[in-house]
Amino acid sequence: NAGVTQTPKFRILKIGQSMTLQCAQDMNHNYMYWYRQDPGMGLKLIYYSVGAGITDKGEVPNGYNVSRSTTEDFPLRLELAAPSQTSVYFCASSDGQGIMNTEAFFGQGTRLTVV
Amino acid sequence: SQKIEQNSEALNIQEGKTATLTCNYTNYSPAYLQWYRQDPGRGPVFLLLIRENEKEKRKERLKVTFDTTLKQSLFHITASQPADSATYLCALDKGGSYIPTFGRGTSLIVHP
Repeated sequence: NAGVTQTPKFRILKIGQSMTLQCAQDMNHNYMYWYRQDPGMGLKLIYYSVGAGITDKGEVPNGYNVSRSTTEDFPLRLELAAPSQTSVYFCASSDGQGIMNTEAFFGQGTRLTVV
Repeated sequence: SQKIEQNSEALNIQEGKTATLTCNYTNYSPAYLQWYRQDPGRGPVFLLLIRENEKEKRKERLKVTFDTTLKQSLFHITASQPADSATYLCALDKGGSYIPTFGRGTSLIVHP
């Protein structure tokens, strides 16, 4: 099992450009998440999904969009990139079925710089 | 407002000593609390989960306590090693949703 796979690992965007961060998991997890992590800060939840076809906003959703058409994939779309979106982005997944299955598995992250 | 607080200052200790990290929270009633380890340039890795009705949980050299009255969890690493150097994050579920909300983490540096 590969776990959670994120692509790309690094990306530089110009202000106003758009891009999609890809995330795939092969553990058949129901829950998937996107977090961003700024230097010295914790993980802030952008969007999450509790199953295919269901998405919801997290703490910092502005400037982002997501979709969940399959259980495996949860892409994050940035429209009109801004310098404030410079960050490290982590995708994660968890089973979500009961307290003992809440362990979140993380991808290796995407380091995004907007210039 | 809801807050999860972890000491932002790095904890420096000598190899072999016990490291103790703190996670405090306000305006939460979590059913459980999790601890993760994050190495530089990597995603967090799950370590332990403790439920609200558990006072203490152990796993090898790790021990976690959970005091819902004090709204605090303590994370201990006994016989610490330089390889334990990392950032440790606590996470709570948000209102029974099973969606982890993270503190900012505390950096642990174990000196040989």
